[in-house]
Amino acid sequence: EAQVTQNPRYLITVTGKKLTVTCSQNMNHEYMSWYRQDPGLGLRQIYYSMNVEVTDKGDVPEGYKVSRKEKRNFPLILESPSPNQTSLYFCASSFGVRSRELFFGEGSRLTVL
Amino acid sequence: AQSVTQLGSHVSVSEGALVLLRCNYSSSVPPYLFWYVQYPNQGLQLLLKYTTGATLVKGINGFEAEFKKSETSFHLTKPSAHMSDAAEYFCAVSDQTGANSKLTFGKGITLSVRP
Repeated sequence: EAQVTQNPRYLITVTGKKLTVTCSQNMNHEYMSWYRQDPGLGLRQIYYSMNVEVTDKGDVPEGYKVSRKEKRNFPLILESPSPNQTSLYFCASSFGVRSRELFFGEGSRLTVL
Repeated sequence: AQSVTQLGSHVSVSEGALVLLRCNYSSSVPPYLFWYVQYPNQGLQLLLKYTTGATLVKGINGFEAEFKKSETSFHLTKPSAHMSDAAEYFCAVSDQTGANSKLTFGKGITLSVRP
C-alpha cells in the first residue's frame, strides 16, 4: 500500500530535550516536505527536500532541522524544543515538479511542556 | 506570493442539503488548485485538483469544484450532504513554476452535518 508513515504519532516532551520525528514514504517520491498545523492558521511549510541531499527552508523553519540521506526518509529534528513548537506535524511527499499533489502522513501530535 | 482565503471557520448543513465551501486564491502565475479533507485524527486526503483543462473538476465522494479565473475562486460543492462528510476541508494553491512543490493552504473550514 502506498503510504507516508510518521513516528511517533503522539509525543509529550519537556523543553530542551532533543527529539526526532521520522518520516518514510514507499512511493519513490523525489519531493518531501514537513508542515505544521495550528488552529486558525492552517498548514505552514517548515522544510522541504527536492531530492537526496537537497533541502531548503519553508515558511517557518526556525527551531527545526532536517536531513535527506535516503530518498525514502526525511526526519524532522527539534534540537531544543520549546512550548511554541507544540503542534500537529505532517510529513508529505510527491513526485515533485511533475505533480504538485501531496500525499500526507497521518500526523504527529507533539506537546512540549 | 500566493494566498488562499476561506471565509468563516465553520459551516453547518442538514443531511441531504447542498454543501458549498468557498475558496478564493491569489497567485501571480497560473495556479494549481486543490481541495483536501481531514477527518479526525487523520492526515489530509486529496478530494480533487485543478491543473489545466476543464474548469469543472470532479472528485471523490461526490464533490466537485469549478475554477473561475475571473473571480479567482475554486469553490467546493456537493449536491447532497451525508453525515460522513463531517470533517475539516482545506483549499490549497500551488504555482506551476519553481522547484518547491509547496502548497499554500487556507485556514480550513469545519463542516458539520445535522441529521
